[in-house]
Amino acid sequence: AQKVTQAQTEISVVEKEDVTLDCVYETRDTTYYLFWYKQPPSGELVFLIRRNSFDEQNEISGRYSWNFQKSTSSFNFTITASQVVDSAVYFCVRGGNEKLTFGTGTRLTIIP
Amino acid sequence: DVKVTQSSRYLVKRTGEKVFLECVQDMDHENMFWYRQDPGLGLRLIYFSYDVKMKEKGDIPEGYSVSREKKERFSLILESASTNQTSMYLCASSLQLAGSSTDTQYFGPGTRLTVL
Repeated sequence: AQKVTQAQTEISVVEKEDVTLDCVYETRDTTYYLFWYKQPPSGELVFLIRRNSFDEQNEISGRYSWNFQKSTSSFNFTITASQVVDSAVYFCVRGGNEKLTFGTGTRLTIIP
Repeated sequence: DVKVTQSSRYLVKRTGEKVFLECVQDMDHENMFWYRQDPGLGLRLIYFSYDVKMKEKGDIPEGYSVSREKKERFSLILESASTNQTSMYLCASSLQLAGSSTDTQYFGPGTRLTVL
């Protein structure tokens, strides 16, 4: 199986600090898709971003930014000026010809 | 906005009971999915459906069945609930017909099922 690795199981930072969540994926496909989801304590998985393998441009959405590097098979997620509402479990996900493959998630705690 | 709803947030059942988990989406999506989420194991796909009355097994279909009689509704059935089916169950839907893992999946709020 082609894995998605989120090596950071848990991260805690003080509010207003920047934090980067790492994601490394395996793929044998030329075309594939990468996603990030947020799961707050309420349990619902909230979609954050979808990128395809042909678009390596980094993306910024407010305090969120994503760094996609095909050369290192990484799709890292940075939150700038973190807030307590960012506390959640974040999943990196790979899609393509097969079913979605989820990373095991990173639990982010923002300390007020 | 895409809306995926699940019939219950919390459910407690007894071993051997037949359990129905219902999922409804309001965006005319073709694909629907059932996952279970367990600590340390992440999300695992149970079943998915790409059309009415069509279903495909996921990674862990044993002990489960599904029903999709209408496009907007996808039901997960536990024929005879067992304690090892205690879990968080998440339903999702996505638009595209082909390549079920290429399009964005939108998730419901989840049902936390406890089997005693």
